[in-house]
Amino acid sequence: GAGVSQTPSNKVTEKGKYVELRCDPISGHTALYWYRQSLGQGPEFLIYFQGTGAADDSGLPNDRFFAVRPEGSVSTLKIQRTERGDSAVYLCASSKQGWSEAFFGQGTRLTVV
Amino acid sequence: GQNIDQPTEMTATEGAIVQINCTYQTSGFNGLFWYQQHAGEAPTFLSYNVLDGLEEKGRFSSFLSRSKGYSYLLLKELQMKDSASYLCAVRDLTNTGKLIFGQGTTLQVKP
Repeated sequence: GAGVSQTPSNKVTEKGKYVELRCDPISGHTALYWYRQSLGQGPEFLIYFQGTGAADDSGLPNDRFFAVRPEGSVSTLKIQRTERGDSAVYLCASSKQGWSEAFFGQGTRLTVV
Repeated sequence: GQNIDQPTEMTATEGAIVQINCTYQTSGFNGLFWYQQHAGEAPTFLSYNVLDGLEEKGRFSSFLSRSKGYSYLLLKELQMKDSASYLCAVRDLTNTGKLIFGQGTTLQVKP
């Protein structure tokens, strides 16, 4: 597509539920990143994929968070047993390679009630 | 550790020039980026510096001093649409290309 696409744009869920957030990167971009942004803060790195593999997942806050990219294109961020503190905007970015400029999607605003 | 500092808020007048500073202390350095983010929108790339000096791109310029751990973004001929958050980010030394962001500077441009 023309840009990085994220769905849904908004997600409200109850505490304890499971959610999946989807990212469709720019076609041909091998590098994909997930970030989390809280109000008034800069994006915080979560995980990086190069192709299908998670090359760096050091930013995932705990084992409730998991991400996959099975075919090296679309990625899904999965959050189990959501907590109110997980409420944030989840941003996805892609780049041609890890070295080049990253393009961000509009984000998914997750609200846990 | 990783620490990137920028002012939280700035105000400037339409048509003027504003400089947004960023200082960083990171365990590794492989380039500094500036992104613009309008409220509720995605960050968009503005500039990239990896060597010391000034990079100019239209109304926007960015400066880097690696020895001082310092960068600034200069916006000239300010327009109302420049009201946004400006994010300073450092790319670390690993081959992942991941960015470490500052908290962002909210710029308000007034008529």
